[in-house]
Amino acid sequence: EVQLVESGGGLVKPGGSLRLSCAASGFTFSSYSMNWVRQAPGKGLEWVSSISSSSSYIYYADSVKGRFTISRDNAKNSLYLQMNSLRAEDTAVYYCARTPDYWGQGTLVTVSS
Amino acid sequence: EIVLTQSPGTLSLSPGERATLSCRASQSVSSSYLAWYQQKPGQAPRLLIYGASSRATGIPDRFSGSGSGTDFTLTISRLEPEDFAVYYCQQYGSSPPYTFGQGTKVEIK
Repeated sequence: EVQLVESGGGLVKPGGSLRLSCAASGFTFSSYSMNWVRQAPGKGLEWVSSISSSSSYIYYADSVKGRFTISRDNAKNSLYLQMNSLRAEDTAVYYCARTPDYWGQGTLVTVSS
Repeated sequence: EIVLTQSPGTLSLSPGERATLSCRASQSVSSSYLAWYQQKPGQAPRLLIYGASSRATGIPDRFSGSGSGTDFTLTISRLEPEDFAVYYCQQYGSSPPYTFGQGTKVEIK
């Protein structure tokens, strides 16, 4: 059974940093590109970042470019999102996704003073 | 960047009725890499349709997807009580950004 489990969310002050993790199981993690998607409270879904299976290709939404860094460790079946210079508008549930078919349950990031 | 526009924003229907949701792309979506998701409050999105018309595993056959190029449709043939939710389309073509539509809420009339 495919499972994606996010962790690392929490409350952080504006300008602060947070690192999200996503533990994958039930499939050959190293064969798939992976994504982070977020959803602000009461809003729609927003694609944040993608990383190819071997980390050769990395993409970011304009809204996070220069502040967020996606990475992966195929030996540990894990995906990461390093978030720096956080803003109030980054407040959202962050989902790890193997687009299009599998999603984690999400981890809430709240940026507030 | 491909912009996806979903319509209507809200659909008010009764159980047993047919729901037709639209997703229009600002430019052609490559190889029909178009997905539809269902999301209920407090839950992660659930894949319904991928490749514009293929049902995901375990999805009832009352859900169907159609379309190509820039115009796509999700049809729910007969609404069940558990189908009232928000539906999103997403294009996941050759390279990111993998944009989403803004969502259509299907609510009980």
